[in-house]
Amino acid sequence: DGGITQSPKYLFRKEGQNVTLSCEQNLNHDAMYWYRQDPGQGLRLIYYSQIVNDFQKGDIAEGYSVSREKKESFPLTVTSAQKNPTAFYLCASSTYLSSYEQYFGPGTRLTVT
Amino acid sequence: SQELEQSPQSLIVQEGKNLTINCTSSKTLYGLYWYKQKYGEGLIFLMMLQKGGEEKSHEKITAKLDEKKQQSSLHITASQPSHAGIYLCGAVPANFGNEKLTFGTGTRLTIIP
Repeated sequence: DGGITQSPKYLFRKEGQNVTLSCEQNLNHDAMYWYRQDPGQGLRLIYYSQIVNDFQKGDIAEGYSVSREKKESFPLTVTSAQKNPTAFYLCASSTYLSSYEQYFGPGTRLTVT
Repeated sequence: SQELEQSPQSLIVQEGKNLTINCTSSKTLYGLYWYKQKYGEGLIFLMMLQKGGEEKSHEKITAKLDEKKQQSSLHITASQPSHAGIYLCGAVPANFGNEKLTFGTGTRLTIIP
């Protein structure tokens, strides 16, 4: 079955540590996205990529980094510079950047203490 | 920048009753997407509206986009427990070159027996 997988479902880290969230898709989609979801704030775009080896900052990129070495994979690193990293992180993909119908993964809940 | 406001923020409805969720944009929309999210999970695409006055239905859920393309409503008829979750609207503004979805803050729907 085609889809998007995110792992792990829950992640716990100590403050000051970098952590990488995994996102893999087998939909053959060109575009991939990372969103952050906080209670009462909807989804905010962190980074997006429309093609391998290319990615763009979204609205809240500070404290985050990404890579896109393979079409299927778009990992997100939450660095120690991110002041409020505890959140629910969602990865999504679409056939191409201008295709607004996005398919979402199940999400990763990151808790930093 | 594009802003989307959803109302109400939360809704508690008795099973079998009808309900309406609204999504209002600060700018004219190129397209409006409705997604459903179960708590702690990813988003599931429901419907997309693009033309002023357009209306689409899927099972007991109907979505409409007003003629001015600045407001959309999502109506559920004879609600069921399976309708519970968070409903989010996502929009693409009509200005050329903006290819990113903006999401509303969501409406949390609870169905009580």
